[in-house]
Amino acid sequence: AQSVTQPDIHITVSEGASLELRCNYSYGATPYLFWYVQSPGQGLQLLLKYFSGDTLVQGIKGFEAEFKRSQSSFNLRKPSVHWSDAAEYFCAVVPDTGRRALTFGSGTRLQVQP
Amino acid sequence: NAGVTQTPKFQVLKTGQSMTLQCAQDMNHEYMSWYRQDPGMGLRLIHYSVGAGITDQGEVPNGYNVSRSTTEDFPLRLLSAAPSQTSVYFCASSLQGFGYTFGSGTRLTVV
Repeated sequence: AQSVTQPDIHITVSEGASLELRCNYSYGATPYLFWYVQSPGQGLQLLLKYFSGDTLVQGIKGFEAEFKRSQSSFNLRKPSVHWSDAAEYFCAVVPDTGRRALTFGSGTRLQVQP
Repeated sequence: NAGVTQTPKFQVLKTGQSMTLQCAQDMNHEYMSWYRQDPGMGLRLIHYSVGAGITDQGEVPNGYNVSRSTTEDFPLRLLSAAPSQTSVYFCASSLQGFGYTFGSGTRLTVV
């Protein structure tokens, strides 16, 4: 079955530390890949997206993600986390064929310690 | 340019009542979707539309109805509210069905 998996429900990092949030997908062909962020009580904001080409994509707020076809992964990274990065992060895909709507992972909640 | 506007922001319903969640976008986007967000489950697709007059079901369509009479509006109707429909509802729109813009959500409680 087609799915998006975020294996980490909750991650805590210290401010200034590096961050990596994991995302794996299970689709027959490479889908279009996205990361969204949701601050408490807010809607979702697009951080970055991957359609094709360079497998390392840059996004807003200093985030980047790397697409690895061999691992069916699209992990989100940030070199130095700020307290304002505390939020919930969602990986999402749109299949390359068929329905053009997002399918989301279950999310990873990031807590930042001072 | 307001983006995606959802109303109301909060609503409490009694079991069995019906209501319509409104969603409007001013970006001339063809693709629109409704999601519900529940703790630990991410966002799940309820219904989506690829243009005026065209709608289709998502993962969790039961108990919900949609129509798309204009490009701008995509209302979601709860036919007979149940406690299991307590959730946060998000509407989203996209020009080509890839990068979606989200509304700020409607928090619905059914008692």
